[in-house]
Amino acid sequence: DGGITQSPKYLFRKEGQNVTLSCEQNLNHDAMYWYRQDPGQGLRLIYYSQIVNDFQKGDIAEGYSVSREKKESFPLTVTSAQKNPTAFYLCASSMTGRGDTQYFGPGTRLTVL
Amino acid sequence: AQSVTQLGSHVSVSEGALVLLRCNYSSSVPPYLFWYVQYPNQGLQLLLKYTSAATLVKGINGFEAEFKKSETSFHLTKPSAHMSDAAEYFCAVRMTTDSWGKFQFGAGTQVVVTP
Repeated sequence: DGGITQSPKYLFRKEGQNVTLSCEQNLNHDAMYWYRQDPGQGLRLIYYSQIVNDFQKGDIAEGYSVSREKKESFPLTVTSAQKNPTAFYLCASSMTGRGDTQYFGPGTRLTVL
Repeated sequence: AQSVTQLGSHVSVSEGALVLLRCNYSSSVPPYLFWYVQYPNQGLQLLLKYTSAATLVKGINGFEAEFKKSETSFHLTKPSAHMSDAAEYFCAVRMTTDSWGKFQFGAGTQVVVTP
């Protein structure tokens, strides 16, 4: 089945540690996205990528980094510079046409201890 | 810049009653509009989308939405609520002028269904 996988489902981190969240898609989509979700705030865009080896900052990129070395993969690193990293993180992908739908992975819940 | 507003962060409906979730967008150019549903600790699932083909859009699970340009609205409805409809619902907009499209999401509406 085609889809988006995120791992791990739950992740615990100590303050001061970097952590990397995995996102893989087999939908052959060109564009991939990372969102952060906090209660009552909807989804906020962290980074997005339209093509391999290229990505752009979203609305809340500070304290995060990404790479796009393969079309299928778009890992997100939450660095120690992110002041409040506890949140639910969602990865999405889409084709790049104007009306194309974004499809979402199951999410990773990150908790900083 | 475009934005999307969902009126009401929480909605409570009785099983069998009408579900009405409100979404308004701000844009001089009609965008593409989407409704997603999210169950606890899961990703978002597309319910339906408007891409200018028809103003009344039917989606999955018995939901539909009507695009009203004059009101800049895209409200989501379902005639008869089911217990399984309890979830959070997000309206999203994607500008038609974008070459590829950044999405803007509303803050979400939590739906509670009571027996």
